[in-house]
Amino acid sequence: AQTVTQSQPEMSVQEAETVTLSCTYDTSESDYYLFWYKQPPSRQMILVIRQEAYKQQNATENRFSVNFQKAAKSFSLKISDSQLGDAAMYFCASSNYGGATNKLIFGTGTLLAVQP
Amino acid sequence: SAVISQKPSRDICQRGTSLTIQCQVDSQVTMMFWYRQQPGQSLTLIATANQGSEATYESGFVIDKFPISRPNLTFSTLTVSNMSPEDSSIYLCSAFAGLKNIQYFGAGTRLSVL
Repeated sequence: AQTVTQSQPEMSVQEAETVTLSCTYDTSESDYYLFWYKQPPSRQMILVIRQEAYKQQNATENRFSVNFQKAAKSFSLKISDSQLGDAAMYFCASSNYGGATNKLIFGTGTLLAVQP
Repeated sequence: SAVISQKPSRDICQRGTSLTIQCQVDSQVTMMFWYRQQPGQSLTLIATANQGSEATYESGFVIDKFPISRPNLTFSTLTVSNMSPEDSSIYLCSAFAGLKNIQYFGAGTRLSVL
């Protein structure tokens, strides 16, 4: 069974600074996807970034990048030049690649506060 | 991408009643999912809904309590039956869209049971 672990319940960062959110996972699959979702107080789950496990290159989306360490089963999210709008709950998630259910397994989340 | 509309956005219900949550996708999708997010917690998958077949429920969730309909490729409903205060949660629907194995989410339904 897949599991996703986020060991940081809360993090804080100063505006314009950089912060890294940690995530580890466990899976018996050789091919899978990893995601970071953001959930602001509005409750809307927003996809931040996606990584395909078979790709060695780390995914990047503007100020967001990941450090994907497949052997260590680690998938951290780096937010550069933090903005007030980045304040939210961040969930790390995994899913099988092309599996029958493709369901997402979520971590417990990290609440990110951005200080002005 | 996909736009997912979910309603109601919130409701306050009495113990013992039922509530049906609707989820509409702006494109045809094969798989839709229903999640529960209890206060301050992560998301837990309730069931997977495929058009034309029975929903597949995760361990701990049963059809009698959470019946799901999937009448076509753009719509699904989740009913929370015989509610108790323990059912107070946010319920979210999601769907795969496109070829990138990305799930898009509705804005959720905040349910409070008195």
